[in-house]
Amino acid sequence: GAVVSQHPSWVICKSGTSVKIECRSLDFQATTMFWYRQFPKQSLMLMATSNEGSKATYEQGVEKDKFLINHASLTLSTLTVTSAHPEDSSFYICSARLQGLTEAFFGQGTRLTVV
Amino acid sequence: GDSVTQMEGPVTLSEEAFLTINCTYTATGYPSLFWYVQYPGEGLQLLLKATKADDKGSNKGFEATYRKETTSFHLEKGSVQVSDSAVYFCALNRFKAAGNKLTFGGGTRVLVKP
Repeated sequence: GAVVSQHPSWVICKSGTSVKIECRSLDFQATTMFWYRQFPKQSLMLMATSNEGSKATYEQGVEKDKFLINHASLTLSTLTVTSAHPEDSSFYICSARLQGLTEAFFGQGTRLTVV
Repeated sequence: GDSVTQMEGPVTLSEEAFLTINCTYTATGYPSLFWYVQYPGEGLQLLLKATKADDKGSNKGFEATYRKETTSFHLEKGSVQVSDSAVYFCALNRFKAAGNKLTFGGGTRVLVKP
């Protein structure tokens, strides 16, 4: 199956700093990528949908100035958590969809801890 | 709006037991249905899918049948192994509608004991 790689797998940062998470589709071109947040023992919450070359579409309640999403190419999307605070600590997961297919492929996730 | 409801866990089983995880959905039109599995500390992996009514998805001994009349997509496995311990998510996608977004159920944690 298609491979989606997320980097880093885990990161610890100080409160007030920014953190960038990368999501790459390794063997296919992803016209659409999705960013999710997952709290412990809970389901995935969709944060935003990003399409290559255009602005991301954020879900209601998600601060677009805090969670900056860039989808500069068909194989790379980035999520930057700006001015991170402890409440931003979470597991962030990206997924990518190959045009024409119904399923999405997921990265392995990034565990962010803000101290 | 679209929604997916699945049974709450945790579900604790002994090895070789039969596993069923119930999943029902609400959606307009004809969604595609999926089961994803998440192992500890990892992202999600597609387990199986079905794209139309009466389709049966199967993989690694798991099966689920798309039942439009009962709007269900229950996951079953006849004989579980310790390695099946994970969280299982039921999901739907109306593909060209609703922004191509997956709608997930709350997840069901399964623990298989030796």
